[in-house]
Amino acid sequence: DAKTTQPTSMDCAEGRAANLPCNHSTISGNEYVYWYRQIHSQGPQYIIHGLKNNETNEMASLIITEDRKSSTLILPHATLRDTAVYYCIVRVEETSGSRLTFGEGTQLTVNP
Amino acid sequence: DGGITQSPKYLFRKEGQNVTLSCEQNLNHDAMYWYRQDPGQGLRLIYYSQIVNDFQKGDIAEGYSVSREKKESFPLTVTSAQKNPTAFYLCASSIQGAAYEQYFGPGTRLTVT
Repeated sequence: DAKTTQPTSMDCAEGRAANLPCNHSTISGNEYVYWYRQIHSQGPQYIIHGLKNNETNEMASLIITEDRKSSTLILPHATLRDTAVYYCIVRVEETSGSRLTFGEGTQLTVNP
Repeated sequence: DGGITQSPKYLFRKEGQNVTLSCEQNLNHDAMYWYRQDPGQGLRLIYYSQIVNDFQKGDIAEGYSVSREKKESFPLTVTSAQKNPTAFYLCASSIQGAAYEQYFGPGTRLTVT
Protein backbone atom coordinates (compact mmCIF):
# COMPACT_ATOMS: atom_id res chain seq x y z
CA ASP A 1 0.00 0.00 0.00
CA ALA A 2 1.17 3.52 -0.80
CA LYS A 3 2.56 5.61 2.05
CA THR A 4 0.70 8.75 3.12
CA THR A 5 1.93 11.97 4.71
CA GLN A 6 -0.32 14.16 6.85
CA PRO A 7 0.35 17.17 9.07
CA THR A 8 0.57 16.28 12.72
CA SER A 9 -2.00 18.82 13.85
CA MET A 10 -4.36 21.52 12.59
CA ASP A 11 -6.74 24.04 14.12
CA CYS A 12 -10.04 25.30 12.77
CA ALA A 13 -12.63 27.79 14.00
CA GLU A 14 -16.10 26.45 14.70
CA GLY A 15 -18.42 26.99 11.72
CA ARG A 16 -15.60 27.34 9.25
CA ALA A 17 -14.48 24.74 6.71
CA ALA A 18 -11.74 22.37 7.82
CA ASN A 19 -9.42 21.31 5.00
CA LEU A 20 -7.22 18.34 5.86
CA PRO A 21 -4.45 17.54 3.35
CA CYS A 22 -2.87 14.19 2.58
CA ASN A 23 0.06 13.46 0.30
CA HIS A 24 0.29 10.08 -1.40
CA SER A 25 2.78 10.63 -4.20
CA THR A 26 3.47 6.90 -4.73
CA ILE A 27 -0.17 5.91 -5.16
CA SER A 28 -0.87 3.25 -7.78
CA GLY A 29 -3.61 3.34 -10.37
CA ASN A 30 -5.79 0.80 -8.55
CA GLU A 31 -5.41 2.26 -5.06
CA TYR A 32 -8.20 4.17 -3.38
CA VAL A 33 -7.97 6.97 -0.82
CA TYR A 34 -9.88 6.37 2.42
CA TRP A 35 -10.49 8.67 5.35
CA TYR A 36 -11.32 7.67 8.89
CA ARG A 37 -11.47 9.68 12.08
CA GLN A 38 -11.05 8.78 15.72
CA ILE A 39 -12.54 10.80 18.51
CA HIS A 40 -10.54 10.52 21.71
CA SER A 41 -10.78 7.08 23.36
CA GLN A 42 -13.29 5.78 20.82
CA GLY A 43 -13.02 3.46 17.84
CA PRO A 44 -12.26 4.96 14.41
CA GLN A 45 -15.17 5.88 12.15
CA TYR A 46 -15.20 5.56 8.36
CA ILE A 47 -15.81 8.91 6.63
CA ILE A 48 -15.41 8.65 2.87
CA HIS A 49 -13.31 7.13 0.10
CA GLY A 50 -12.57 7.75 -3.58
CA LEU A 51 -10.48 6.67 -6.54
CA LYS A 52 -10.06 9.70 -8.79
CA ASN A 53 -13.33 11.61 -8.87
CA ASN A 54 -14.29 14.00 -6.12
CA GLU A 55 -16.74 12.48 -3.65
CA THR A 56 -19.26 13.95 -1.23
CA ASN A 57 -21.45 12.43 1.44
CA GLU A 58 -23.33 13.68 4.48
CA MET A 59 -20.13 13.92 6.52
CA ALA A 60 -17.51 15.38 4.20
CA SER A 61 -16.14 15.99 0.73
CA LEU A 62 -13.03 14.40 -0.74
CA ILE A 63 -11.04 16.26 -3.37
CA ILE A 64 -8.39 14.24 -5.22
CA THR A 65 -5.92 16.04 -7.48
CA GLU A 66 -5.82 15.13 -11.13
CA ASP A 67 -2.45 13.37 -10.78
CA ARG A 68 -3.83 11.61 -7.65
CA LYS A 69 -0.71 12.40 -5.67
CA SER A 70 -2.59 14.28 -3.00
CA SER A 71 -6.08 14.75 -1.63
CA THR A 72 -8.00 16.98 0.75
CA LEU A 73 -10.77 16.05 3.13
CA ILE A 74 -13.18 18.94 3.63
CA LEU A 75 -15.53 19.30 6.58
CA PRO A 76 -17.69 22.18 5.31
CA HIS A 77 -18.91 23.56 8.63
CA ALA A 78 -16.74 22.22 11.44
CA THR A 79 -18.27 21.77 14.87
CA LEU A 80 -16.64 21.10 18.23
CA ARG A 81 -17.64 17.44 17.83
CA ASP A 82 -15.40 17.19 14.78
CA THR A 83 -12.33 17.45 17.02
CA ALA A 84 -10.58 14.15 16.36
CA VAL A 85 -7.58 12.46 14.75
CA TYR A 86 -8.13 12.09 11.01
CA TYR A 87 -6.45 9.23 9.16
CA CYS A 88 -5.77 9.16 5.43
CA ILE A 89 -5.28 5.61 4.12
CA VAL A 90 -4.38 4.44 0.64
CA ARG A 91 -4.98 0.85 -0.38
CA VAL A 92 -6.38 -1.43 -3.03
CA GLU A 93 -10.11 -2.15 -2.81
CA GLU A 94 -9.59 -5.87 -2.50
CA THR A 95 -12.31 -8.44 -2.72
CA SER A 96 -11.03 -10.33 0.33
CA GLY A 97 -10.85 -8.88 3.79
CA SER A 98 -7.51 -7.61 4.94
CA ARG A 99 -5.84 -4.91 6.91
CA LEU A 100 -6.18 -1.18 7.05
CA THR A 101 -2.88 0.53 7.82
CA PHE A 102 -3.44 3.47 10.14
CA GLY A 103 -0.59 5.95 10.49
CA GLU A 104 -0.50 8.69 13.11
CA GLY A 105 -3.01 10.94 11.34
CA THR A 106 -3.79 14.63 11.83
CA GLN A 107 -5.13 15.90 15.14
CA LEU A 108 -7.83 18.41 14.20
CA THR A 109 -8.89 20.76 16.96
CA VAL A 110 -12.03 22.82 16.36
CA ASN A 111 -12.02 25.93 18.51
CA PRO A 112 -15.11 27.87 19.65
CA ASP B 1 -29.48 -1.26 17.19
CA GLY B 2 -26.80 -2.94 15.11
CA GLY B 3 -23.23 -2.55 16.16
CA ILE B 4 -20.11 -3.89 17.81
CA THR B 5 -19.75 -4.26 21.53
CA GLN B 6 -16.56 -4.69 23.48
CA SER B 7 -16.44 -5.40 27.15
CA PRO B 8 -15.29 -4.32 29.56
CA LYS B 9 -14.28 -0.74 28.74
CA TYR B 10 -11.47 -0.82 31.30
CA LEU B 11 -9.62 -3.94 32.43
CA PHE B 12 -6.87 -4.33 35.00
CA ARG B 13 -4.69 -7.41 35.38
CA LYS B 14 -1.57 -8.50 37.13
CA GLU B 15 1.49 -9.38 35.12
CA GLY B 16 1.67 -13.07 34.25
CA GLN B 17 -2.07 -13.56 33.89
CA ASN B 18 -3.85 -14.32 30.65
CA VAL B 19 -6.84 -12.10 29.91
CA THR B 20 -9.58 -12.43 27.30
CA LEU B 21 -11.21 -9.41 25.67
CA SER B 22 -14.71 -9.77 24.33
CA CYS B 23 -15.94 -8.59 20.91
CA GLU B 24 -19.48 -9.21 19.66
CA GLN B 25 -21.21 -7.88 16.53
CA ASN B 26 -24.80 -8.14 15.30
CA LEU B 27 -24.14 -6.60 11.88
CA ASN B 28 -24.01 -10.01 10.17
CA HIS B 29 -20.47 -9.20 9.01
CA ASP B 30 -18.22 -12.05 7.93
CA ALA B 31 -14.90 -10.36 8.63
CA MET B 32 -13.65 -9.30 12.04
CA TYR B 33 -10.39 -7.66 13.19
CA TRP B 34 -8.38 -6.87 16.31
CA TYR B 35 -6.14 -3.81 16.52
CA ARG B 36 -3.88 -2.45 19.21
CA GLN B 37 -3.29 1.27 19.78
CA ASP B 38 -0.56 2.77 21.96
CA PRO B 39 -0.67 6.40 23.13
CA GLY B 40 -0.20 8.92 20.32
CA GLN B 41 0.15 6.23 17.69
CA GLY B 42 -1.94 4.71 14.95
CA LEU B 43 -3.57 1.29 15.00
CA ARG B 44 -1.68 -1.94 14.44
CA LEU B 45 -3.40 -5.13 13.30
CA ILE B 46 -3.12 -8.14 15.63
CA TYR B 47 -5.38 -10.77 14.01
CA TYR B 48 -8.20 -10.88 11.52
CA SER B 49 -10.80 -13.42 10.49
CA GLN B 50 -12.65 -13.51 7.20
CA ILE B 51 -14.93 -16.41 8.07
CA VAL B 52 -15.93 -18.64 10.96
CA ASN B 53 -13.24 -21.09 12.10
CA ASP B 54 -10.54 -19.26 10.15
CA PHE B 55 -8.19 -16.43 11.12
CA GLN B 56 -4.86 -14.94 10.07
CA LYS B 57 -2.05 -13.22 11.93
CA GLY B 58 -1.65 -9.50 11.51
CA ASP B 59 1.49 -7.44 12.04
CA ILE B 60 1.88 -7.98 15.79
CA ALA B 61 0.32 -11.38 16.61
CA GLU B 62 3.03 -12.58 19.02
CA GLY B 63 1.67 -13.02 22.53
CA TYR B 64 -1.96 -12.99 21.41
CA SER B 65 -4.47 -15.68 20.43
CA VAL B 66 -7.97 -15.61 18.96
CA SER B 67 -10.85 -17.91 18.13
CA ARG B 68 -13.77 -17.58 15.75
CA GLU B 69 -16.30 -20.27 16.66
CA LYS B 70 -19.31 -18.08 15.89
CA LYS B 71 -19.86 -15.42 13.25
CA GLU B 72 -20.87 -12.89 15.90
CA SER B 73 -17.93 -13.34 18.24
CA PHE B 74 -14.15 -12.87 17.96
CA PRO B 75 -12.52 -12.95 21.41
CA LEU B 76 -8.88 -11.96 21.87
CA THR B 77 -6.68 -13.50 24.56
CA VAL B 78 -3.68 -11.52 25.72
CA THR B 79 -1.26 -14.11 27.06
CA SER B 80 1.52 -13.72 29.57
CA ALA B 81 3.95 -14.01 26.64
CA GLN B 82 2.94 -10.53 25.42
CA LYS B 83 5.74 -8.33 26.73
CA ASN B 84 3.91 -4.98 26.73
CA PRO B 85 0.20 -5.75 27.00
CA THR B 86 -0.94 -2.39 28.37
CA ALA B 87 -2.75 -0.70 25.46
CA PHE B 88 -6.08 0.28 23.95
CA TYR B 89 -7.60 -2.67 22.06
CA LEU B 90 -10.08 -2.14 19.24
CA CYS B 91 -12.26 -4.69 17.50
CA ALA B 92 -13.78 -4.09 14.07
CA SER B 93 -15.89 -5.89 11.50
CA SER B 94 -16.69 -5.50 7.83
CA ILE B 95 -18.71 -6.99 5.02
CA GLN B 96 -16.77 -9.65 3.15
CA GLY B 97 -15.11 -7.95 0.21
CA ALA B 98 -15.36 -4.48 1.75
CA ALA B 99 -12.49 -4.41 4.23
CA TYR B 100 -11.99 -0.73 3.47
CA GLU B 101 -15.14 0.13 5.44
CA GLN B 102 -14.63 -1.30 8.89
CA TYR B 103 -16.98 -0.67 11.79
CA PHE B 104 -15.21 -0.31 15.11
CA GLY B 105 -16.27 -1.05 18.64
CA PRO B 106 -15.71 1.37 21.54
CA GLY B 107 -12.49 -0.35 22.61
CA THR B 108 -11.10 -1.91 25.79
CA ARG B 109 -8.32 -0.20 27.70
CA LEU B 110 -6.15 -2.89 29.27
CA THR B 111 -3.71 -2.07 32.05
CA VAL B 112 -1.29 -4.72 33.26
CA THR B 113 0.81 -4.03 36.35
